[in-house]
Amino acid sequence: KQEVTQIPAALSVPEGENLVLNCSFTDSAIYNLQWFRQDPGKGLTSLLLIQSSQREQTSGRLNASLDKSSGRSTLYIAASQPGDSATYLCAVKAGYALNFGKGTSLLVTP
Amino acid sequence: KAGVTQTPRYLIKTRGQQVTLSCSPISGHRSVSWYQQTPGQGLQFLFEYFSETQRNKGNFPGRFSGRQFSNSRSEMNVSTLELGDSALYLCASSPGRYDDEQYFGPGTRLTVT
Repeated sequence: KQEVTQIPAALSVPEGENLVLNCSFTDSAIYNLQWFRQDPGKGLTSLLLIQSSQREQTSGRLNASLDKSSGRSTLYIAASQPGDSATYLCAVKAGYALNFGKGTSLLVTP
Repeated sequence: KAGVTQTPRYLIKTRGQQVTLSCSPISGHRSVSWYQQTPGQGLQFLFEYFSETQRNKGNFPGRFSGRQFSNSRSEMNVSTLELGDSALYLCASSPGRYDDEQYFGPGTRLTVT
C-alpha cells in the first residue's frame, strides 16, 4: 500500500524567505506526482505535475523535484509572500487514485 | 475554460437521511473521481467514473455510490447518513488517462447532525 508522508506538518516563516517542503512515498512505481495548494475550507489547486520520467518542474516561484528511486519529492518556494499561506499537499498516482500526504500547513508572516 | 463545479457547496443533513452531490467536470474531460476529506483521515479515494462506467472504487461501504451521465457529469449518493460522514467531498476531473493531471472542484461541505 502506497504511503505518502509530508514533513514538516507545519511551518512558519517570515516574508521573503526561500523554503522547502518535503514529500516521501513508499512505492516508486508511480505514474506521476502532483503538488496542490489548499486554502481553508476550499478545494485543491494544482500547482505542479511531475511525470515519472521527469526530474523537476517549474512554475514561477515554485520548483518541484522528483527522485523516484528514493521515493522523494521537494517543493521549493522562492521569496515567500503572505499570500503563499495555505496547506500544501503532495499526491502520487500509483494506480487509479491519487494517494495524498497529510499536508504541510504554511504560514508566511509579513 | 470553466473549471470543475460542484453543487451544492454546503449541506446539512440529519443522521439516517440520504444525500446526493453533483459534479460537473471540465469540458472535454471524461473521467471524474470523488474524494472524501476529513481532519482525521485526510483525503481518501471514493470512486472514479470514466465514460459512464465505474472504473475504480475505494474502500468505502456500499452506502456510498455514484454514477456518471453521458455528458460526463457525475453524482454521488450517500444513504443512511452517519455522523462520521461529515466531511468535505471533492471531485476531480481529467481527460481520462491514468497519468493525466487531476483538476479539483471547490468541494461540497456535508455536515451530518
